[in-house]
Amino acid sequence: QQQVKQSPQSLIVQKGGISIINCAYENTAFDYFPWYQQFPGKGPALLIAIRPDVSEKKEGRFTISFNKSAKQFSLHIMDSQPGDSATYFCAASMDQAGTALIFGKGTTLSVSS
Amino acid sequence: DADVTQTPRNRITKTGKRIMLECSQTKGHDRMYWYRQDPGLGLRLIYYSFDVKDINKGEISDGYSVSRQAQAKFSLSLESAIPNQTALYFCATSDLLDRGGSNEQFFGPGTRLTVL
Repeated sequence: QQQVKQSPQSLIVQKGGISIINCAYENTAFDYFPWYQQFPGKGPALLIAIRPDVSEKKEGRFTISFNKSAKQFSLHIMDSQPGDSATYFCAASMDQAGTALIFGKGTTLSVSS
Repeated sequence: DADVTQTPRNRITKTGKRIMLECSQTKGHDRMYWYRQDPGLGLRLIYYSFDVKDINKGEISDGYSVSRQAQAKFSLSLESAIPNQTALYFCATSDLLDRGGSNEQFFGPGTRLTVL
């Protein structure tokens, strides 16, 4: 079964626009929610992460919004740039060390210039 | 990330062959992981290891085995490869002490495996 559902599968945004990627989960035992970014030919790299005790975390142009009651979290990329074009994966883990990550299926973002 | 290396980077093999993928890291991390990535399916955890004597199954361990030869080395084996094991395989590491506070996993460059 798919424990972390990610949408959309692909996204096209104009330069300067806002990119929004959504994830939903079922297991209330999840307590660590990272987002990974992957460029073609490379391994994924941690972008930003959140724990359920906060509703929002911002790092530069990247923000995670977390809704514990709805069991949803989302990634917002403000002022999207062509260099942000990549595949983004949300993930969740039940242990606070973030060991056994369950990933979403990924969203391919293309930012047009 | 040059701190996590995987060999080979590409491999083509035939059904029924035994194959080993190797991962080495110079980050000094205790925890190591093997994932497979399939188009449209994201990454799925195969095995993970907290140290040389502690190995755990992930979501999709059937058909795979691992060996943690040393803190820095973690190998993934396919005892009898089958075509649906064709995928991109990633090794990753993380710091037991999580000095950065982010629980970050550091991924290698991947091994593209094709089973004919």
